[in-house]
Amino acid sequence: EAGVAQSPRYKIIEKRQSVAFWCNPISGHATLYWYQQILGQGPKLLIQFQNNGVVDDSQLPKDRFSAERLKGVDSTLKIQPAKLEDSAVYLCASSLGVGVTGNEQFFGPGTRLTVL
Amino acid sequence: AQTVTQSQPEMSVQEAETVTLSCTYDTSESDYYLFWYKQPPSRQMILVIRQEAYKQQNATENRFSVNFQKAAKSFSLKISDSQLGDAAMYFCAYLGAGNQFYFGTGTSLTVIP
Repeated sequence: EAGVAQSPRYKIIEKRQSVAFWCNPISGHATLYWYQQILGQGPKLLIQFQNNGVVDDSQLPKDRFSAERLKGVDSTLKIQPAKLEDSAVYLCASSLGVGVTGNEQFFGPGTRLTVL
Repeated sequence: AQTVTQSQPEMSVQEAETVTLSCTYDTSESDYYLFWYKQPPSRQMILVIRQEAYKQQNATENRFSVNFQKAAKSFSLKISDSQLGDAAMYFCAYLGAGNQFYFGTGTSLTVIP
């Protein structure tokens, strides 16, 4: 079974530039999550999708961050414009969303973003 | 919002020995899930063990077991017969009715050969 795929793995940009991350969840997983993990901290949920609808985006800085999940499969997370404090690893995770083990999240390798 | 606290930023254990990682959480809910995730240096997080709050029996997965104390809101992870491959960041996580995961700040585990 293929895992959660993310690209790129690393990205370096200057502040005020734009950047986009891509995530392909495990096939059949209805729920998709984007997390921000700042160095030395635990992951913080940015947005959660159920199929192609947003379940929770309460911690997404909507003035600069946006995310979409077209057709309920792949998802992109965009930052425009980036700030220095956006430097972090961005993790994508997916889960079945139903059943006894439906809440187990499977994580991708993450994208490490450095904003200079 | 629920909070998850891991009070040990770093821990070390001798290979083949046992180590316990601590986690406490704050919630007013009665039904929830607790998880321990492992994040090796490659950064891909994997699930170690899961506990449903309504189950009194502590979860066990091979060398990994938990001590779940619901009244004390404590959820510690015990790793027995530690192996070099156990070295990683370990995160405790809470999932409640709001269906949002809350992660602790993590414990970095070093395994000494």
